[in-house]
Amino acid sequence: NAGVMQNPRHLVRRRGQEARLRCSPMKGHSHVYWYRQLPEEGLKFMVYLQKENIIDESGMPKERFSAEFPKEGPSILRIQQVVRGDSAAYFCASSPLRGGFSEQYFGPGTRLTVT
Amino acid sequence: KNEVEQSPQNLTAQEGEFITINCSYSVGISALHWLQQHPGGGIVSLFMLSSGKKKHGRLIATINIQEKHSSLHITASHPRDSAVYICAVPPNTGNQFYFGTGTSLTVIP
Repeated sequence: NAGVMQNPRHLVRRRGQEARLRCSPMKGHSHVYWYRQLPEEGLKFMVYLQKENIIDESGMPKERFSAEFPKEGPSILRIQQVVRGDSAAYFCASSPLRGGFSEQYFGPGTRLTVT
Repeated sequence: KNEVEQSPQNLTAQEGEFITINCSYSVGISALHWLQQHPGGGIVSLFMLSSGKKKHGRLIATINIQEKHSSLHITASHPRDSAVYICAVPPNTGNQFYFGTGTSLTVIP
């Protein structure tokens, strides 16, 4: 059973470009969380999704950021018109149940660098 | 105000020492998670616990729900234990997780 997969592992974008980060959860997991880790800071919750639904996006900036988890395919975190402050590691995690009641399995992360 | 506080922030130990990392939280929870982040950045879930104590190998996690406190212990520490250890809590209300800032552990041979 493959673990959580994220791609790309490293992404370089110029200011103003779009960044698309992909997360394939573990087989059988329908709950996906996205987290951001700024340099020298801790993990911060961004968004929680179930298949085809955004359940909680309270940690996501209101502008330029969006997330989806379609019926088929990976979950996507999309950042439009990136700025230097978006440079961070973005982790997704999946679980078979809502996160409070089961372990979360983390992907290796995508390290976004905005130049 | 941080919902989760960890201590110490940094910890250096000699190989073989017994290590304790503490986590206090202010929100109501049903379970608490301990995570390990390797120097390369990958994150592994170590424990999820809602009461008492759990043990995996040389790692032991305890929690006191009433006192809103958890500890992670490492017995007979080894250089490969060097990592950042993170406490995470999913509050009973809402869907997000709150994370501690992590404890950076270095075990010297």
